[in-house]
Formats: sequence, structure tokens, C-alpha cells
Amino acid sequence: AQTVTQSQPEMSVQEAETVTLSCTYDTSESDYYLFWYKQPPSRQMILVIRQEAYKQQNATENRFSVNFQKAAKSFSLKISDSQLGDAAMYFCAYRSLLTQGGSEKLVFGKGTKLTVNP
Amino acid sequence: DAGITQSPRHKVTETGTPVTLRCHQTENHRYMYWYRQDPGHGLRLIHYSYGVKDTDKGEVSDGYSVSRSKTEDFLLTLESATSSQTSVYFCAISATVPSSGNTIYFGEGSWLTVV
Repeated sequence: AQTVTQSQPEMSVQEAETVTLSCTYDTSESDYYLFWYKQPPSRQMILVIRQEAYKQQNATENRFSVNFQKAAKSFSLKISDSQLGDAAMYFCAYRSLLTQGGSEKLVFGKGTKLTVNP
Repeated sequence: DAGITQSPRHKVTETGTPVTLRCHQTENHRYMYWYRQDPGHGLRLIHYSYGVKDTDKGEVSDGYSVSRSKTEDFLLTLESATSSQTSVYFCAISATVPSSGNTIYFGEGSWLTVV
């Protein structure tokens, strides 16, 4: 079974600075997707960025980018020019692409709480 | 928005009573999921469905059952609610086509308190 580990329960960053959130995962599969979700105090789960394992190029979405190291099974999220609205819980997630018996589940890490200081 | 509606959004119920949470989607997506979120545990999968009448257990399925009689609806039932089932419940949906990026989209959550 796949596992996702976020080793930083809490992180803080100054407004306008850059912060990196860590995520590692364990899998024996070669094809899969990785995601970062943001959960603000409203508890809504918002997709931040996704990465296809077969793509070597790191995904970017505006101020958000990832460092995907497939061999190391690492998938970190970098937030540049941090804004107060970035304060939230961030969850790393893994999705298998196996389709036997409906195996396409999403496995989550336990989350990192990001505080943005003005 | 991904077209997911959860109901009820908030519910307080007594121990031992049955409770059903409903997830309704307008996207015609094949896959639907129920997760619960608790402090210190993140999101944990309860049950999921990969088609009408096709469901399977997740990692925390004890005390829960599900049904999917139509593509658009996925019901989660607590047969006899216990205080340990006090949680926030999230429904999620996904397609499996490349254009969607295989992304899973979440509903807004249902807050359940068992007293």
C-alpha cells in the first residue's frame, strides 16, 4: 500500500518570502499522480498543483511550483512571494493509476499547517 | 466549482441513531469517495465507488456502509452512530480521462457531531 509522509506538522514564513513544504511517498508503481491540496480555515479542499509521474518537468502554477524527484520519491511544494491568503493546511496526496478493482484512490499525508506572518 | 453537493452540511445526532450523508454530483464522473478528516490523522478513506452499485472499503470502513444506485448520488450511512464518528466528512469525485488530469475534486464537507 502506498503511504505519504509530510514531516513538517507546522511551518511559518514571512510575507513575500519563499517557503518549501516537504512530502515523501512510498510506492512500487511507476505511473501515478501527485497533488498538493490547500485547506484554508473554511475547510474547503482546493487543488493547488498536480504532477504526472511520467513527466520529468516540474509542474508550476503561478507562485506555486514543485520539485519532483521520482527516484527519491520526493514531491516538495515551493510557494514564492508568500501572501497572507496562503495561510492554510497543505496536504500532499498520491493517486495510483491502477484500475483493477477500482484502485484509483487518493492517499493523503497528514498535512502541514502554514502560517504567513505579516 | 466541481459540481458536488453534500447534505446535510451540519448535523448533530445522538449516539445509537442512524445517519445518512448524501453526496450529489453533476459531473457524471465515474469515481466517488467518502473521506473523514480528524485532527492528527489528515484525510482517511472510508469507502469509494467505481461505478453504479460498485463500491469497496477504504482504510476506516468499520461502522459505515455506502450505496450508489445512480451515477450522481453516493450515500454514506452510519447504522448506529458513535461518538468516535464525530468528524468532518468529505465527498470527492473524479474522472479518469487525461484531460481532467485524473484530479479528484472535493465537496465542501459535512460536519457531524454525535452526542
